[in-house]
Amino acid sequence: QSVLTQPPSVSAAPGQKVTISCSGSSSNIGNNYVSWYQQLPGTAPKLLIYDNNKRPSGIPDRFSGSKSGTSATLGITGLQTGDEADYYCGTWDSSLSAGGVFGGGTKLTVL
Amino acid sequence: QVQLQESGPGLVKPSETLSLTCTVSGGSISSYYWSWIRQPPGKGLEWIGYIYYSGSTNYNPSLKSRVTISVDTSKNQFSLKLSSVTAADTAVYYCARTIVGATVNYYYYYMDVWGKGTTVTVSS
Repeated sequence: QSVLTQPPSVSAAPGQKVTISCSGSSSNIGNNYVSWYQQLPGTAPKLLIYDNNKRPSGIPDRFSGSKSGTSATLGITGLQTGDEADYYCGTWDSSLSAGGVFGGGTKLTVL
Repeated sequence: QVQLQESGPGLVKPSETLSLTCTVSGGSISSYYWSWIRQPPGKGLEWIGYIYYSGSTNYNPSLKSRVTISVDTSKNQFSLKLSSVTAADTAVYYCARTIVGATVNYYYYYMDVWGKGTTVTVSS
């Protein structure tokens, strides 16, 4: 059971837009910055978004992030078959069990 | 650019200690935080803990009694030890450079460079 809740899967056609949600609480998303990671099959996770909505160098602007209250959203526009991957949200949890936390991951299928 | 490489035994017996090392190349281990994250087969990511180059640590409360993370700045390496392992510790283990800090209102924490991961199986 992950601290952050993501939908297990989402799908969309090439060229379309998709959003992936990440729900938490006031001890994590509500009071800390959110990051997003892309994990292509058989590879290590890769940082996509940090500080809620910033993209590292080299990440295309098709990827975007936002946060509202205790939820965060990853958006991907102009979907490509190469975007098929697992996507994870992450943040810091400031509760008594403080530590890094991740969502359970969302499998994106580009139909 | 900075690259990370995990190394260590791929097979560990139950009740023994898992030991992994992460070697940092292309940059200095100094001035950064460094994390260990694991991923059981077919499952999601689990944060294990992190260490600052100076040696201060922070561990996942659920693993804290079994985990030790250490750093060797002279070798540009940091290490993970997980004791009393069981089959539930079978996973791909990743090391990652970690950015940690705080603004007035928010805490930021993310991993910007990851190793390729190493598979550790716990079995007799």
